[in-house]
Amino acid sequence: GAVVSQHPSRVICKSGTSVKIECRSLDFQATTMFWYRQFPKQSLMLMATSNEGSKATYEQGVEKDKFLINHASLTLSTLTVTSAHPEDSSFYICSARDPAGVVGEQYFGPGTRLTVT
Amino acid sequence: AQSVTQLDSHVSVSEGTPVLLRCNYSSSYSPSLFWYVQHPNKGLQLLLKYTSAATLVKGINGFEAEFKKSETSFHLTKPSAHMSDAAEYFCVVSLLFSGGYNKLIFGAGTRLAVHP
Repeated sequence: GAVVSQHPSRVICKSGTSVKIECRSLDFQATTMFWYRQFPKQSLMLMATSNEGSKATYEQGVEKDKFLINHASLTLSTLTVTSAHPEDSSFYICSARDPAGVVGEQYFGPGTRLTVT
Repeated sequence: AQSVTQLDSHVSVSEGTPVLLRCNYSSSYSPSLFWYVQHPNKGLQLLLKYTSAATLVKGINGFEAEFKKSETSFHLTKPSAHMSDAAEYFCVVSLLFSGGYNKLIFGAGTRLAVHP
C-alpha cells in the first residue's frame, strides 16, 4: 500500500525559533498533500492543502505567514512553523492523495509532535 | 453542507463482546466515507472505506461498516472486541470538488476502551 513518511517524529524547540517538518510519499507521486493539526484528545483539523508547483490553499483562520508550506516536488511537502510559540505545540500530521488511487482516499503520515518551550 | 457526526465520544466494552461505533453523515451527494483508527501518539490507519460499491464494507482486523443511505449512517462494528482495539476511531467523509480536488472532513472521534 501507499506509504507516507514524516520527519522528524518529535521535535522540541525554543520559543521564537522556526521548525521544518517534512512529508514524503515513498512509493507514489502525490500531486496534492494535506497538513493537519491535532490537539490532545481532539480531532484532526485541516490546515492547508498543498499542490505541487503552486501555492498552498490555507483553511480559514490558519496564518499562512506563520505556517509556510512548500510542495517542491511530487514526493515532498514541507511545513515550516515560523517564530514558534508554546501555543503552536501540537501533533502535526500530513497526508497525500494518490492520483491513481480511490477518489477521496488519503494516505497519512505517522505525525510529528512539536513541543515549543 | 457536508459534515460527519460521531454520536458517542466514549465507548467502553468488555473483551469478547461486540463493538458498535456510530456515525451519521450529511452530504448533498453520494459520499465517500472512511473509518480510521489512531492508537496513542500514532498516525492514522485506514480501517475501511465506502466508495459507492457494496453497502456492507469489510475492513481490517475484523471491522466492518454498513452504508445506509436512508438513515445517512455509516456505523462501525466488530463482533468481538480485542484488547488491542482500544484506540481513537474517526469517521471521515470526503468532499469532492471540481477538478478532482478533495478534502476530508473528520468526525470528533470516539474513544474505545476495552476491559478484560
